[in-house]
Amino acid sequence: DGGITQSPKYLFRKEGQNVTLSCEQNLNHDAMYWYRQDPGQGLRLIYYSQIVNDFQKGDIAEGYSVSREKKESFPLTVTSAQKNPTAFYLCASRNRQGDNQPQHFGDGTRLSIL
Amino acid sequence: SQQGEEDPQALSIQEGENATMNCSYKTSINNLQWYRQNSGRGLVHLILIRSNEREKHSGRLRVTLDTSKKSSSLLITASRAADTASYFCATDARGGTGRRALTFGSGTRLQVQP
Repeated sequence: DGGITQSPKYLFRKEGQNVTLSCEQNLNHDAMYWYRQDPGQGLRLIYYSQIVNDFQKGDIAEGYSVSREKKESFPLTVTSAQKNPTAFYLCASRNRQGDNQPQHFGDGTRLSIL
Repeated sequence: SQQGEEDPQALSIQEGENATMNCSYKTSINNLQWYRQNSGRGLVHLILIRSNEREKHSGRLRVTLDTSKKSSSLLITASRAADTASYFCATDARGGTGRRALTFGSGTRLQVQP
């Protein structure tokens, strides 16, 4: 089945440590997105990429970094500069062809501080 | 920034009743989308309504859009306990130079009592 796979499901970070969240899709979508969700809140955009080797900052990019070397993959690194990383992280993708396309989401990674 | 704002924040109803959720937004849009999120999971796309449409149906779901008031509503008829989830509206902004990512509201948490 086509879809988006996020791993790991749960991740723990120590102080001063960088951690990388994986997102892979086999939907052949050009566009990919990373969102952060805090308890009882909506989604806030961290980074997005419309095409391979290109990405843009979202609303809360500070303390995060991404790469888009392959169409299928859009990993997110939570750096030590992100002082409050505990949250639920969601990856999504979308077909860029034409307007009016929905986003498809993975099942998320829950990140906590040790 | 969170453009879409849902109302109410939480809603508790009995099985068989209808549930109505509202969403307001601020800028011009290409379309507005509704998503569902079960606890601890990713978002699932429910329905998309284009800016030139006023009403759309999908099974027990009915969505309306009023671009003059910059508002939308989601009606779930004959609710079931399995409809218990959080529901989010998301706007797809108009404008070629603007960011091409959805903007999500803060969500409505729906509890359907059996």
